[in-house]
Amino acid sequence: AQKITQTQPGMFVQEKEAVTLDCTYDTSDPSYGLFWYKQPSSGEMIFLIYQGSYDQQNATEGRYSLNFQKARKSANLVISASQLGDSAMYFCAMRGYSGAGSYQLTFGKGTKLSVIP
Amino acid sequence: NAGVTQTPKFRVLKTGQSMTLLCAQDMNHEYMYWYRQDPGMGLRLIHYSVGEGTTAKGEVPDGYNVSRLKKQNFLLGLESAAPSQTSVYFCASSKRDTYNEQFFGPGTRLTVL
Repeated sequence: AQKITQTQPGMFVQEKEAVTLDCTYDTSDPSYGLFWYKQPSSGEMIFLIYQGSYDQQNATEGRYSLNFQKARKSANLVISASQLGDSAMYFCAMRGYSGAGSYQLTFGKGTKLSVIP
Repeated sequence: NAGVTQTPKFRVLKTGQSMTLLCAQDMNHEYMYWYRQDPGMGLRLIHYSVGEGTTAKGEVPDGYNVSRLKKQNFLLGLESAAPSQTSVYFCASSKRDTYNEQFFGPGTRLTVL
């Protein structure tokens, strides 16, 4: 069984500062992927960044980077130079194989980030 | 391209009523999913489909049925709604690949009284 743990229900960060959102995972599959999604108050799910279990380098997408520590089974999201528009719920998710050639995402419970002006 | 669309956006039901949520995607994706989101619980998978005519159970399938008669559509049915099914429902779709990036619809907010 796969499990995603986000231990921070809520976080505050000052505008223009960097913030790290924690995500740890548990899986017995050698091949997996880790996603981060943003959910603003409007409700839609927005894909931010992806890291594959065999990727050698940490993923980066603009102000988002993923601090992937495979041995510690962690995939923390780092947001640099926070903006007011970054205030949202952030979900970590893991892709795992579910059999018959199909894959599923398992989501964490999320972290609510609030950016303070 | 509209991406993933969901109908309706909001709905209020009385206990015991039935309804169907419609999800449509125009990206020619093979895989489609239904999730529910409850406060403090993240997203939980209800049912999914890996292709037309094929469906499978996810983490929380009880009380729901699904059908995928056409590749672009995935229907979620509640035969006898219960207050515990009050939630926000998201549909998602993805290509048939190991990457499995899922594209989400805007969600349906369902209240069962």
